[in-house]
Amino acid sequence: QKEVEQNSGPLSVPEGAIASLNCTYSDRGSQSFFWYRQYSGKSPELIMSIYSNGDKEDGRFTAQLNKASQYVSLLIRDSQPSDSATYLCAVRPTSGGYQKVTFGTGTKLQVIP
Amino acid sequence: EAQVTQNPRYLITVTGKKLTVTCSQNMNHEYMSWYRQDPGLGLRQIYYSMNVEVTDKGDVPEGYKVSRKEKRNFPLILESPSPNQTSLYFCASGTANQPQHFGDGTRLSIL
Repeated sequence: QKEVEQNSGPLSVPEGAIASLNCTYSDRGSQSFFWYRQYSGKSPELIMSIYSNGDKEDGRFTAQLNKASQYVSLLIRDSQPSDSATYLCAVRPTSGGYQKVTFGTGTKLQVIP
Repeated sequence: EAQVTQNPRYLITVTGKKLTVTCSQNMNHEYMSWYRQDPGLGLRQIYYSMNVEVTDKGDVPEGYKVSRKEKRNFPLILESPSPNQTSLYFCASGTANQPQHFGDGTRLSIL
């Protein structure tokens, strides 16, 4: 079983719709969760981080965390063509102060104008 | 401006010719890491460093070396590159309380 799993997609949504991206993780001790956006050929860019159960909103982005279900999601409201990219879920435990970050393979999002 | 700088950005070389990819950060981060990214495999960690003179293997360390003699620099060394090391490489830095920031990437082609 992969440590961090994401549906590879592509996920296609029309412009203006809500895009929902999902991620599950296997290490129940994980404490920090991140969403990165990566355009083709570019470096990953951090867009959201979440550390406690519930929702965290930042502009059009909402991260949702459910530690009991080992599930983290990213909602993008009012999707724009510029949101078309691959979204990487990343998970980090806190034990030992070692920053072992594990990435999922990413979900490709296509926003159709 | 806070940044992670990698050089070169692109390199085409031949099997067996030693090469070094440099990485430098100006944020005084303790933690630095190297990843490679291949289609369908995502980001895989090669080596990481928690501070000066402290380095350890990640998930795919074979064929690579690193050093951390200064806090800001973390070079990736391929002593004898092979075609299966053709990939997109990223350096990242961070702290215990902050997520990682990535460099712009280095695309290596080994013929």
